[in-house]
Amino acid sequence: EPEVTQTPSHQVTQMGQEVILRCVPISNHLYFYWYRQILGQKVEFLVSFYNNEISEKSEIFDDQFSVERPDGSNFTLKIRSTKLEDSAMYFCASSDSRGHVSADTQYFGPGTRLTVL
Amino acid sequence: DAKTTQPTSMDCAEGRAANLPCNHSTISGNEYVYWYRQIHSQGPQYIIHGLKNNETNEMASLIITEDRKSSTLILPHATLRDTAVYYCIVRVSRRYGGATNKLIFGTGTLLAVQP
Repeated sequence: EPEVTQTPSHQVTQMGQEVILRCVPISNHLYFYWYRQILGQKVEFLVSFYNNEISEKSEIFDDQFSVERPDGSNFTLKIRSTKLEDSAMYFCASSDSRGHVSADTQYFGPGTRLTVL
Repeated sequence: DAKTTQPTSMDCAEGRAANLPCNHSTISGNEYVYWYRQIHSQGPQYIIHGLKNNETNEMASLIITEDRKSSTLILPHATLRDTAVYYCIVRVSRRYGGATNKLIFGTGTLLAVQP
């Protein structure tokens, strides 16, 4: 069964460093998303991406964040200058959004645990 | 998107049916009910969704009341591996006239399956 994959599973970085989190969405999907979950808190939406542009972003997704689909398979989240409060699990998701509504279901990857020291 | 209310936690004996309720009294006509679960900080896992008819798949059944103000997710034979936080989310996507595609997660119900 197709699934969303994410790398790395765990990333440790120093405050102020840039990190890139990578995702491979399900191959025929058109919508891509990033969510995050700070330890012990709710899963929060960050950004959605469609047709090579951001379709929606949350207040969390400030100028330090960017997303890109560099090729036909990868979807990345970059944090330019990490802060301690960026430590969280980051989840990528994708959905098809073609045809009937079942195609609109979002499927999540296993997540990347980002630890900022 | 309509707000949902779920119990904070529930217990269920292994092998028995787990019935997880969700209240969504302000749901509107084009909003779907989705259920996801999250096992110990893993990525949220899609379970099932529905609009107004009851739905069943290989994982669970979804029973939606006739007035659509509440629903119940049923795991017919719970196992220890079903211990997780279960999220009930209502939304209509952009594609169907909604303002957003995002999923808004609440705190969900922590289901503990007991041996």
